[in-house]
Formats: sequence, C-alpha cells, structure tokens
Amino acid sequence: SQTIHQWPATLVQPVGSPLSLECTVEGTSNPNLYWYRQAAGRGLQLLFYSIGIDQISSEVPQNLSASRPQDRQFILSSKKLLLSDSGFYLCAWVTGTGLNGYTFGSGTRLTVV
Amino acid sequence: DQQVKQNSPSLSVQEGRISILNCDYTNSMFDYFLWYKKYPAEGPTFLISISSIKDKNEDGRFTVFLNKSAKHLSLHIVPSQPGDSAVYFCAATNAGKSTFGDGTTLTVKP
Repeated sequence: SQTIHQWPATLVQPVGSPLSLECTVEGTSNPNLYWYRQAAGRGLQLLFYSIGIDQISSEVPQNLSASRPQDRQFILSSKKLLLSDSGFYLCAWVTGTGLNGYTFGSGTRLTVV
Repeated sequence: DQQVKQNSPSLSVQEGRISILNCDYTNSMFDYFLWYKKYPAEGPTFLISISSIKDKNEDGRFTVFLNKSAKHLSLHIVPSQPGDSAVYFCAATNAGKSTFGDGTTLTVKP
C-alpha cells in the first residue's frame, strides 16, 4: 500500500538553530513531491516541489532549502531558523494526472522560539 | 495576489441539510480543481476533483461544480453529517503544482 511518513510531529527550535525535516514515501515510484507550509488560519503555501531525484524547484524565496537524495525521500532544511519559519509543515506526493489529489503526511508543527 | 480565494471563513449547517462551500480563482490556466478536508493537526485529505473541461463531478454525497466563465467552483455536501465538520480547502492545479485557498471551517450541528 502507498504511505507517506513525515517526522517529527512537533519541534521546538531556538532562533538560529538548524532544521531538518524528513519525508519518505512507500508503495509508489517516481512521485512528484511537495513541501507546503500552513501559517495559522491560512491556506497552504507551496515551498518546494520535485519531479525527480535532485530536481528541486523553489516557489518562495526564503530561509529554507530542500533536497531529494532518493526517489522517495524529500528533506526540508535550514541552516539558521528565523521566528517567521514557525508553522505547520506538510509533505505531499502525487502520481498520475492532476485529477489525483495529493496524499499528505501528518505534518510537523515547528515553533521557533 | 491570491489566485485562489475562499471568501467564507466559516459555515454552519444543520445535520441533514446541504452544505455549499465556495471558491473563486483568477488564473485561467488552472487545469484541475480539487477539494480537501482537514482536521486539526493532521494533513489534508483529498475529497474530489474536477477537470477544467467538465462542469460537474459527483462522488457519493459530494458534488463539485465548476463555472469557468465565472472562475468559480463549489462543493456541495448532501446530506451533511456531523462527521463532515472540518476545514475544507479548495485547490487549483497548473503544471503539476496546486495553489490552495485559505479554507472554510464547516460545522455541522446535530
């Protein structure tokens, strides 16, 4: 079966510290992978998407970066967190046509203090 | 410039009645439109989608309507159930990337 794993579920980090969030997908090959962020009371903002290994597109200039070292692994990173990086981070994957909705992970609640 | 807008932050309906959630978009290049349901502290769950060449798609209690001339789509839930209470996001896709609205919180009262 197809599943997506995202961890950790919650994270509290001090300003200036590094960040690494990992997402892995099982049961599918060559998925499109996405990182979204949801600010409080807002919609989902696309941060990065990837159509293949080492193929990353950034949608929003920011303090974050993404990498895809393996087909089913997507990593979100930062060298130095800012207070404004706080939010709910979601990883998602999709294959096939645009009629197929994304499958989202359970999310990571990041609080930068 | 927000390309996908859900102008109603919240909606409350009685159990058994129809829930209608609305969404407007500005980019005529969107080729697919989707609705997701989200509970607190969880990722969204895909509900239903429609291609831009269609005007209606139905799946059980859920129907999505698309009016391209008005750049408007809606989700109808009939009959509404208390378990439908959640945040609903509409999304529009172009070139494999989805843009989401800010969501509408639906409350279905028993």
